[in-house]
Amino acid sequence: GQSLEQPSEVTAVEGAIVQINCTYQTSGFYGLSWYQQHDGGAPTFLSYNALDGLEETGRFSSFLSRSDSYGYLLLQELQMKDSASYFCAVKYYGNNRLAFGKGNQVVVIP
Amino acid sequence: GAVVSQHPSRVICKSGTSVKIECRSLDFQATTMFWYRQFPKQSLMLMATSNEGSKATYEQGVEKDKFLINHASLTLSTLTVTSAHPEDSSFYICSARDRRGGWGETQYFGPGTRLLVL
Repeated sequence: GQSLEQPSEVTAVEGAIVQINCTYQTSGFYGLSWYQQHDGGAPTFLSYNALDGLEETGRFSSFLSRSDSYGYLLLQELQMKDSASYFCAVKYYGNNRLAFGKGNQVVVIP
Repeated sequence: GAVVSQHPSRVICKSGTSVKIECRSLDFQATTMFWYRQFPKQSLMLMATSNEGSKATYEQGVEKDKFLINHASLTLSTLTVTSAHPEDSSFYICSARDRRGGWGETQYFGPGTRLLVL
């Protein structure tokens, strides 16, 4: 079966760095995506890893290790607007359906 | 580019009525659209995959007769919640996959529809 585990909540100060981990129990997938969701809003795409290694997009970076069934999202230079929920999602072969992890709420404080 | 809209954004209805939610890809063609449901403080749960011109594929545990999905064109999919009940109150989100595909991310989310059944 498939399962995407994420820790639930983290609080950090502005300017800090936060790493959000994601472990999964599935195989045969295109890659691992990361989404941000503010309260009441829709998910916003942040990053995608098709291959092992690090992908950097501005202040956000994402990492994937297929051999370890593990990935993470790194949020750097935290800003207040980064307070949101962050989800990892596995993109499956075929029709590209996404299976979302449980999500991690990040609270940024001054 | 890559904009997906949903209508309505918010709906309140009485128990027993049916509610139709539209999902449109505005500037691209989508052979595949996905419908998700999200309860407060929880993750997005995939309900069904909607393919243009064919029947939707429902996830395990989702009643296809209750959640009717129609994907009549490359830019429009509809989700109808039939005989809605209070437990159907949720945030319904669609996403659309750009038919051009590609190596990176090609799935775009709509803004969501918040359904409240009284």
